[in-house]
Amino acid sequence: NAGVMQNPRHLVRRRGQEARLRCSPMKGHSHVYWYRQLPEEGLKFMVYLQKENIIDESGMPKERFSAEFPKEGPSILRIQQVVRGDSAAYFCASSDLQETQYFGPGTRLLVL
Amino acid sequence: AQKITQTQPGMFVQEKEAVTLDCTYDTSDPSYGLFWYKQPSSGEMIFLIYQGSYDQQNATEGRYSLNFQKARKSANLVISASQLGDSAMYFCAMRNFGNEKLTFGTGTRLTIIP
Repeated sequence: NAGVMQNPRHLVRRRGQEARLRCSPMKGHSHVYWYRQLPEEGLKFMVYLQKENIIDESGMPKERFSAEFPKEGPSILRIQQVVRGDSAAYFCASSDLQETQYFGPGTRLLVL
Repeated sequence: AQKITQTQPGMFVQEKEAVTLDCTYDTSDPSYGLFWYKQPSSGEMIFLIYQGSYDQQNATEGRYSLNFQKARKSANLVISASQLGDSAMYFCAMRNFGNEKLTFGTGTRLTIIP
C-alpha cells in the first residue's frame, strides 16, 4: 500500500516563474492537506481539500497561491510568479475524515 | 485559537537512556487530538503516536508513549531505551475536532550520543 506521494522532490525556479507541486494521497484517502515548512520552523497549514472542493484555505496567501484536487489525478499546489520568500519545503498529507494525517516526503522549492 | 509550545530547542541524550520531549498546548475546545511526528535529516514527516482528549489511558506505540496530563494541558513524548536512529526533529501537533488542520510546535532537535 503506497504512502502519500509527492513530486518533484526538489524544484528550482527563478523569480517570476511558476511552481507546480503534485500530491497523490494514500489509497483510500479522500482528504488532502498542504503545509509549508520554512527553514528551522514547524509546519504551517495552508489548505485542506476534498475531491473537487476546497474546504479550508485559511492558511493560503491571498495572492499567487492556488490549490486544486480534481476528480481524477493528483492534488496540485500552484505558486505563480515565485519570489525568494517562497523557498521552503511543501508537505502534502492525506487522511480519512477525522483520522491521522500521513505525510508525503515533501517538495523542496528553491527560488533563485 | 490553538497553540502548541515546545520549549526545548535541542536535547542531547546518551544512547539507551529514556528521553522526555515536552509539549504544552492551548485550546478552548473540549474535543481535540494530539500528535507527535518525527522528522529525520532526510526530511520526511513520520507519524509516531496519537492521543485523543477523551482517551482515558496514555497512548503507547512500541518505545513511544505519550504522557498526557489534561489538567496541565501537556502531552509529553517519552522514548524509552533511545537508539542512534532516534536522532531527529520531533514535532508536537494538535487538531480540534471539527477542524481538520494541524497546528504544529516549533520542534525539538534530539541528538542521541553513542
